[in-house]
Amino acid sequence: QVTLRESGPALVKPTQTLTLTCTFSGFSLSTSGMCVSWIRQPPGKALEWLARIDWDDDKYYSTSLKTRLTISKDTSKNQVVLTMTNMDPVDTATYYCARTLAFPYYFDYWGQGTLVTVSS
Amino acid sequence: NFMLTQPHSVSESPGKTVTISCTRSSGSIASNYVQWYQQRPGSAPTTVIYEDNQRPSGVPDRFSGSIDSSSNSASLTISGLKTEDEADYYCQSYDSSNGVFGGGTKLTVL
Repeated sequence: QVTLRESGPALVKPTQTLTLTCTFSGFSLSTSGMCVSWIRQPPGKALEWLARIDWDDDKYYSTSLKTRLTISKDTSKNQVVLTMTNMDPVDTATYYCARTLAFPYYFDYWGQGTLVTVSS
Repeated sequence: NFMLTQPHSVSESPGKTVTISCTRSSGSIASNYVQWYQQRPGSAPTTVIYEDNQRPSGVPDRFSGSIDSSSNSASLTISGLKTEDEADYYCQSYDSSNGVFGGGTKLTVL
């Protein structure tokens, strides 16, 4: 049974760095073709893909946010970490992690999401 | 990079059939598979169609997907609408290794 769970602060101040952790079970991120992505959704708005890390440690970032994002993994702990620097109120959103299949590149299992509010 | 454009909202009556479109702005819709996700209020998205027209186990065959190269678009069709189908639906594809989502369509079953 595949499960993912996001954890991190519910509230961050503008200009701070956000660190989110995705803890998963039911699969291994060392298996060929396995990846984990981060996706966010501002309140009442659409989904936005942020970043992906692959079984071979390749990393991919949203073009518009790549200067602010870092994704990493700890395979032994079954965790993926996303950091986003210089947070702004427009970054207020529910942040999801999702298991991702490299081909055909889709998000087959999602965490329940964690709401992050950026406010002073 | 390309964009995926969906209608903001659609509505239909129970028992009827509805189709939601997803138009790719550049490049061929057939170049990369399209997926469809259902998101009910307060919940995470779940997959209803992957690889253009495949249903995950547990998704009823009332849900079907297709692509149309002439209009450069993908479509999600839901037949025999039920009130439980009321949700937001998102199409998704990819550009190299970047995920791309459509803007979402709110389906109202009234």
